[in-house]
Amino acid sequence: AQSVSQHNHHVILSEAASLELGCNYSYGGTVNLFWYVQYPGQHLQLLLKYFSGDPLVKGIKGFEAEFIKSKFSFNLRKPSVQWSDTAEYFCAVYLYGGSQGNLIFGKGTKLSVKP
Amino acid sequence: DADVTQTPRNRITKTGKRIMLECSQTKGHDRMYWYRQDPGLGLQLIYYSFDVKDINKGEISDGYSVSRQAQAKFSLSLESAIPNQTALYFCATSGQTGPGPVSSYNEQFFGPGTRLTVL
Repeated sequence: AQSVSQHNHHVILSEAASLELGCNYSYGGTVNLFWYVQYPGQHLQLLLKYFSGDPLVKGIKGFEAEFIKSKFSFNLRKPSVQWSDTAEYFCAVYLYGGSQGNLIFGKGTKLSVKP
Repeated sequence: DADVTQTPRNRITKTGKRIMLECSQTKGHDRMYWYRQDPGLGLQLIYYSFDVKDINKGEISDGYSVSRQAQAKFSLSLESAIPNQTALYFCATSGQTGPGPVSSYNEQFFGPGTRLTVL
């Protein structure tokens, strides 16, 4: 079955540290890729998305992600995190021709940034 | 103004009660979705609808039903609520409202969520 894996359940960083959150999916076909963020008590908001073209995509608030097709990965990065980045981050994948026909979400990674 | 709204935002109910959660959107999207979120499990798709006459089960539809009353409205019902349906419920929409790639359908926009507690 198609799936999306996020490697870390909870990441704790100090302010100014660099961030990389892993996301891998299991599907050999065409995909669209998304990272969503959920701040405490709020709904999911789109951070960035990849449809086609340049595999390095830039999103809001200094986040970026790189699509590496050969590794089935779409890792999220930020060079220097801030306390306000404390949130839960979800990777989501749309599989063209997949059995579900919709977005498949990873289980999420909680990021805690210490001031 | 919020594009995707959900009512109620919080609800506490008892086992066996019928509950309806409502979702409305002003984005003009034709696709709507209901998810539940449980800690550590991410989002699980309950039902989705690609237009008013098209409703599909998601991965965890048992115990739930939906109604697409209009393009802008998509309701989720729990016919007889049970405690393990305690969760955060999100409505989402996607669609194409102008010129652009078909892949724009794949980006979903979420409502603020409904926190449901079943005692």
